Amino acid sequence: IAGITQAPTSQILAAGRRMTLRCTQDMRHNAMYWYRQDLGLGLRLIHYSNTAGTTGKGEVPDGYSVSRANTDDFPLTLASAVPSQTSVYFCASSPGRGRANTGELFFGEGSRLTVL
Amino acid sequence: QQQVKQSPQSLIVQKGGISIINCAYENTAFDYFPWYQQFPGKGPALLIAIRPDVSEKKEGRFTISFNKSAKQFSLHIMDSQPGDSATYFCAASKANRDDKIIFGKGTRLHILP
Repeated sequence: IAGITQAPTSQILAAGRRMTLRCTQDMRHNAMYWYRQDLGLGLRLIHYSNTAGTTGKGEVPDGYSVSRANTDDFPLTLASAVPSQTSVYFCASSPGRGRANTGELFFGEGSRLTVL
Repeated sequence: QQQVKQSPQSLIVQKGGISIINCAYENTAFDYFPWYQQFPGKGPALLIAIRPDVSEKKEGRFTISFNKSAKQFSLHIMDSQPGDSATYFCAASKANRDDKIIFGKGTRLHILP
């Protein structure tokens, strides 16, 4: 059972470089999310997608973009990385719409990104 | 505006003791209150959840107490064990909707052996 797969697990990146964090789920969930986790700040939502073909902005979207071309994949792109984007990034999914949505999120193992 | 306030930020408990983490929410439309457990190097995972039609839910050593009038809910870990050492997040959402889940800032729990 894979669930949510994130890649890479860890990356060191020079400021100004472009970076894409990959996320794939095999649960056929409608909704997917990207969070960043920073000490003392908890989990903050970056972007989300309620269903394939749609995306929305979360609490801290600046400097990040996402796409949702199909149900399974939800990549997060940093167009020009800055040191303040050093964080652990978590991708998550949930069943989404209607009665199937219990509210439970299923998280990946995270991608630790360091921007120098 | 922080809609879910969690306390304490960190907690140290002796083995066998009771760990208590508290959360307060603002939006009365929330109807699903989960707790997530996160071990170092791992993603958060659902531990236990409650809906506002009950005041308490127990699963093994973990209990959620819910006070709808006070808009507060808490996690109690009975007979705390070193293996319970983790970060715990409370959260709130409107289930059966596409509205996003709101997380507290987390509590780092350490159980002394």
